[in-house]
Amino acid sequence: NAGVTQTPKFRILKIGQSMTLQCTQDMNHNYMYWYRQDPGMGLKLIYYSVGAGITDKGEVPNGYNVSRSTTEDFPLRLELAAPSQTSVYFCASSYLDSSYEQYFGPGTRLTVT
Amino acid sequence: GIQVEQSPPDLILQEGANSTLRCNFSDSVNNLQWFHQNPWGQLINLFYIPSGTKQNGRLSATTVATERYSLLYISSSQTTDSGVYFCAVVSSGGSNYKLTFGKGTLLTVNP
Repeated sequence: NAGVTQTPKFRILKIGQSMTLQCTQDMNHNYMYWYRQDPGMGLKLIYYSVGAGITDKGEVPNGYNVSRSTTEDFPLRLELAAPSQTSVYFCASSYLDSSYEQYFGPGTRLTVT
Repeated sequence: GIQVEQSPPDLILQEGANSTLRCNFSDSVNNLQWFHQNPWGQLINLFYIPSGTKQNGRLSATTVATERYSLLYISSSQTTDSGVYFCAVVSSGGSNYKLTFGKGTLLTVNP
């Protein structure tokens, strides 16, 4: 199993551009999550999904959109990128059970200038 | 929402020393995980430990759920142990399964 994979690893965007961060998991997990990590801080939840077709907002959803058309994929879309979205983005997934143990991808480092 | 506090915020060790990192949380939890974020930014799962004690090589962790704290022990530290250690929990009272992270402990192990 590859686990949770994310692409790209790094990206530089200009203000106002858009992009999609890709996340795929091959563990047949129902739950998937997007977090962002700002310098010197812990991670904050942007969006999450409990299954294909179902998504919901986390703590910091503004400026982002998600979709979940398959169990495996959970892309995160940035519309009209702003410098405040400069961060490291992590995707995670977990089983549909009471443990909620989450497995993280390697992250995408995004800079908006 | 649930609060997660980690201590100490920073720790400097000589190689070979032992250390204990602490995580306090403000509510009952379904999940508690310890992560190591290495200097390249990767988040590495260390333990899933909502209660009890686990050991993995030089690392071990104990969670006392009734007293709302967890401890991560690192023995015979190595320079490769350097990085940030995060504690993260899923609150039993929450409905969105999210992990709430502490601010982390920055560990530096000097040769």
